[in-house]
Amino acid sequence: DQQVKQNSPSLSVQEGRISILNCDYTNSMFDYFLWYKKYPAEGPTFLISISSIKDKNEDGRFTVFLNKSAKHLSLHIVPSQPGDSAVYFCAATSGYALNFGKGTSLLVTP
Amino acid sequence: EAGVAQSPRYKIIEKRQSVAFWCNPISGHATLYWYQQILGQGPKLLIQFQNNGVVDDSQLPKDRFSAERLKGVDSTLKIQPAKLEDSAVYLCASSLASRPGNTIYFGEGSWLTVV
Repeated sequence: DQQVKQNSPSLSVQEGRISILNCDYTNSMFDYFLWYKKYPAEGPTFLISISSIKDKNEDGRFTVFLNKSAKHLSLHIVPSQPGDSAVYFCAATSGYALNFGKGTSLLVTP
Repeated sequence: EAGVAQSPRYKIIEKRQSVAFWCNPISGHATLYWYQQILGQGPKLLIQFQNNGVVDDSQLPKDRFSAERLKGVDSTLKIQPAKLEDSAVYLCASSLASRPGNTIYFGEGSWLTVV
C-alpha cells in the first residue's frame, strides 16, 4: 500500500525554467515531509523539508509547498539547471520511518 | 565530516547463498536505518536502530534477514538464504535522533544482484 505517491515517473524541463515535482500522500498522520535528490550510483541526499504547521519552505532555488487539505506537496526549482537532473524522492513521516514515493526523474536540458 | 560508510558496494551471489553488508554511520548519530530500494521504487525501511536497540523492524523479512548493531555504532545486515527478489540496493542511513527535523543521511548503498 503506497502511502506516498509520485505519479509522474519523469519530467523534462528546459534550463532556466521552473521545474515542478508533485507528491500526494494518503496518511493524515504524516506531519513532516522531505524531498531527497538521488544521482545514479549514489545514495539519496536531503534537499529540503517542511513541517505540517507550515505551508511553504524556501531554500535558495528550492521551494516546497504543502497543501494539507489536499494531502499534496510540490517541489519547485527555479531556475532549473542541468545539474539538477536527478531522481527526486518525496518522503513523509509521522515520527519514525520515512515513507518514500517511487521518485520522479528530472531532466533539465540546456 | 565523514559520511555514512557502506561495504561492499557491489555483490553478486547465487540464490540460496548468504551475504552480509556493513555500515558505519556518521560519528555521534544515535539512529541507524537500513533501507531496501528495488529498481524503480522508493527506498523501503527494513529496520531502525536507536543506539543498539531496535525501534522498528516490522518490514524486515525475519525468516531470511537479520541485522545487528551490537555496540551502538556500526551495523551489519545479513541475508540468508538469498532469493532472486532480494536483488536491490541496500541503503544504510543515520541521523542524530529519530524525530523528524533530524536530517537522515544516506550512504552510497550496497548493490546486490541475486542470480
